[in-house]
Amino acid sequence: QAVVTQEPSLTVSPGGTVTLTCGSSTGTVTSSHYPCWFQQKPGQAPRNQIFNTNKKHSWTPARFSGSLLGGKAALTLSGAQPEDEADYYCLLSYSGAQVFGGGTKLTVL
Amino acid sequence: EVQLVESGGGFVQPGGSLRLSCAASGFTFSGFSMNWVRQAPGKGLEWVASINYDGSQKYYADSVKGRFTLSRDNAKNSVFLQMNSLRVEDTALYYCAKQGLASGDYDHWGQGALVTVSS
Repeated sequence: QAVVTQEPSLTVSPGGTVTLTCGSSTGTVTSSHYPCWFQQKPGQAPRNQIFNTNKKHSWTPARFSGSLLGGKAALTLSGAQPEDEADYYCLLSYSGAQVFGGGTKLTVL
Repeated sequence: EVQLVESGGGFVQPGGSLRLSCAASGFTFSGFSMNWVRQAPGKGLEWVASINYDGSQKYYADSVKGRFTLSRDNAKNSVFLQMNSLRVEDTALYYCAKQGLASGDYDHWGQGALVTVSS
């Protein structure tokens, strides 16, 4: 199965902007991979913030946005808040099979 | 309110079997694909398996193919993961997740069932 890659860790200042990326070993990530982004805080189940590249759930803060950028899927956080500190995982679909990235630990500091 | 409640986790020796169940409520269960995702202690998320709304299509991660079997009972609003030939590396918290509007859109999750494989 494919390998999905993410930055292991990133740091953003409160109020700042940060972009997390999600690449695929098979090549360019497209909308056909239905990129999704999950936020997980310690001791909690993951929470889907972005699906189908750039769609938001009713609970997704407006400061989160998804896109395709430079052959990868991207999650941009604009105006980071302390409560955004968490692990973030992307998920790509490959004709039925799905693969998570290794996760990005985002620190807001 | 959507609720997903996993059960069936526990301690098992290598080579043993366990059957996880996920009881769903608060939505039309027969209309949605269901999924299992696991997380080893201190590690990242790993997709395990998916089953479509009527059970006619099932997909498995290479790491569990041939050992795990996914099924569902729409009359009982439940999905099941039969795990055979368990290995130490299968030790993890197993989450049941409901799929929403698109592939990978896991919009609701259970709290997980812990599976420990050890001699």
